[in-house]
Amino acid sequence: EAAVTQSPRNKVTVTGGNVTLSCRQTNSHNYMYWYRQDTGHGLRLIHYSYGAGNLQIGDVPDGYKATRTTQEDFFLLLELASPSQTSLYFCASKDRGSQNTLYFGAGTRLSVL
Amino acid sequence: GDSVTQTEGLVTLTKGLPVMLNCTYQTTYSPFLFWYVQHLNEAPKLLLKSSTDNKRTEHQGFYATLHKSSSSFHLQKSSVQLSDSALYFCALSDRNNYAQGLTFGLGTRVSVFP
Repeated sequence: EAAVTQSPRNKVTVTGGNVTLSCRQTNSHNYMYWYRQDTGHGLRLIHYSYGAGNLQIGDVPDGYKATRTTQEDFFLLLELASPSQTSLYFCASKDRGSQNTLYFGAGTRLSVL
Repeated sequence: GDSVTQTEGLVTLTKGLPVMLNCTYQTTYSPFLFWYVQHLNEAPKLLLKSSTDNKRTEHQGFYATLHKSSSSFHLQKSSVQLSDSALYFCALSDRNNYAQGLTFGLGTRVSVFP
């Protein structure tokens, strides 16, 4: 099964703080995604990418930047964190020919105080 | 745009009973439907998927049939176990939004008691 690794697993920061969430997949998948998961909202797409250097805006991009530095690595940046960004963040990846099956990382729990 | 509706937020039941989780969708394109399961403190994992109309698909005792006529993909199991306690997501993709991945429903939490 595809391996997607997220770090850190937990993060606490203060309002206005700078946070970077990391995601690495080692299966040469083309597509990578950042979702946030909140009670009552399910999984919502923040940003996604279909290759190194590519970035696409998702459904809830405000307050987030992302960068895909390599085929393997996809980062989510919160430059001025706010309490509303307290959430569980998932990275996911998929291959071009995988019938759209997403493989998720274990998640990063972020608390903004 | 695409949407997925899961009508139950929480389902509680006793071990050994059957369960059905509802999922309906809206799309103007040919759909591909998924069920993902997320156990506590774990990542969502694919449970089963289908794009074939009126064909039952099964995995780990769970089954679902895509019915394009009613835009539904309900998840069922004949006899739930304690280990089935989890959050279940229905998700949709279509050829038009392939790059964007999946559109998820809000999820249904299943709690199984002894």
